[in-house]
Amino acid sequence: DTGVSQDPRHKITKRGQNVTFRCDPISEHNRLYWYRQTLGQGPEFLTYFQNEAQLEKSRLLSDRFSAERPKGSFSTLEIQRTEQGDSAMYLCASSFVQGANTGELFFGEGSRLTVL
Amino acid sequence: AQRVTQPEKLLSVFKGAPVELKCNYSYSGSPELFWYVQYSRQRLQLLLRHISRESIKGFTADLNKGETSFHLKKPFAQEEDSAMYYCALSGEASGTYKYIFGTGTRLKVLA
Repeated sequence: DTGVSQDPRHKITKRGQNVTFRCDPISEHNRLYWYRQTLGQGPEFLTYFQNEAQLEKSRLLSDRFSAERPKGSFSTLEIQRTEQGDSAMYLCASSFVQGANTGELFFGEGSRLTVL
Repeated sequence: AQRVTQPEKLLSVFKGAPVELKCNYSYSGSPELFWYVQYSRQRLQLLLRHISRESIKGFTADLNKGETSFHLKKPFAQEEDSAMYYCALSGEASGTYKYIFGTGTRLKVLA
């Protein structure tokens, strides 16, 4: 297992186009998180899954953003009708949680989105 | 509101000098606190968490619930400590767990 992998690593798109990012977590991990990071900021929470269930989505997140984890393994994050303000690094992280244990987050290398 | 504050964007110290990266948090309940680090051209990774009470790479952090702080300390900085450091918290809030990160502090250790 090579850890959390994300694809593509870099995406350049024109405003108004749709983009989709994929995240493959560490295989035995049951939680999967999406974060967004812009220059000079820390990772900003977007959403997270416990197995295939989406447990929380940030209230700050536009309806243009949607995420899925259909079989409790890989996840996709889709952004519809992209805007220049969506330009950021999109980070995926996974963890294994059992009971009340919070679990260590393992991050991918991120997918950088540039919207022209 | 849940919040993590790292007041310093940049901290420069000389090699061998003590380091303290500040972190304050706001959380109703009992959060779990973490420090994550990102070295140049590497992914974010866990440095330490308060429940383990370990010293990792010479770094320690003590949770002070009275001051709601979780400062990261190292007595003698090394050049390889230069990196971005993020303080984070997690805990049950409204029935879910999510991690909230601070804005990060860039540590530069000068030769």
